[in-house]
Amino acid sequence: KAGVTQTPRYLIKTRGQQVTLSCSPISGHRSVSWYQQTPGQGLQFLFEYFSETQRNKGNFPGRFSGRQFSNSRSEMNVSTLELGDSALYLCASGRSGTGGYSPLHFGNGTRLTVT
Amino acid sequence: QKEVEQDPGPLSVPEGAIVSLNCTYSNSAFQYFMWYRQYSRKGPELLMYTYSSGNKEDGRFTAQVDKSSKYISLFIRDSQPSDSATYLCAMRDSGGSNYKLTFGKGTLLTVNP
Repeated sequence: KAGVTQTPRYLIKTRGQQVTLSCSPISGHRSVSWYQQTPGQGLQFLFEYFSETQRNKGNFPGRFSGRQFSNSRSEMNVSTLELGDSALYLCASGRSGTGGYSPLHFGNGTRLTVT
Repeated sequence: QKEVEQDPGPLSVPEGAIVSLNCTYSNSAFQYFMWYRQYSRKGPELLMYTYSSGNKEDGRFTAQVDKSSKYISLFIRDSQPSDSATYLCAMRDSGGSNYKLTFGKGTLLTVNP
């Protein structure tokens, strides 16, 4: 069974540009979450989508947005890039949503560098 | 004060040693506690999870949760060079989404042959 796939693996962008990252969840998983990982702040929750609806949002500015398609694939967009947006962006998928426990499976991330 | 505190290390031990990794937290609503392992240039992979307080063992790994002290631990017995990685604790409360996790910053572990 294929794992969570993120593309591209590496990106270099210039300040002020925008970027779109893509995530394909594990087959059968309907929930997709995005996390930002930096050396200073660690892993921080960006947002979660379930059945094409944003269910939770972390404490990030509106420049960060996302969406989920009917096949559960998800994209994340960052507009007006800043140097501080340089990070590893991780996508994770899971079967369902609320209550109980359901494991979260991560992809290998997209390394974004803003110059 | 951050919700989850984790000593970043680095921690270096000889092969075969017992490793103890720890996190403290401040949010008493946290009920689910997880440990992830992250190799260089890879995403985190789930090692263990525990609900509420108590111990859980899986092979060479033991997870402990002490909710009264707001303290969780991961023990690795007979550590191997392949255990060299960053270990992340993560937690969430009992309500809401399964997937809005709060992570520690991670501890970098090196096991020397």
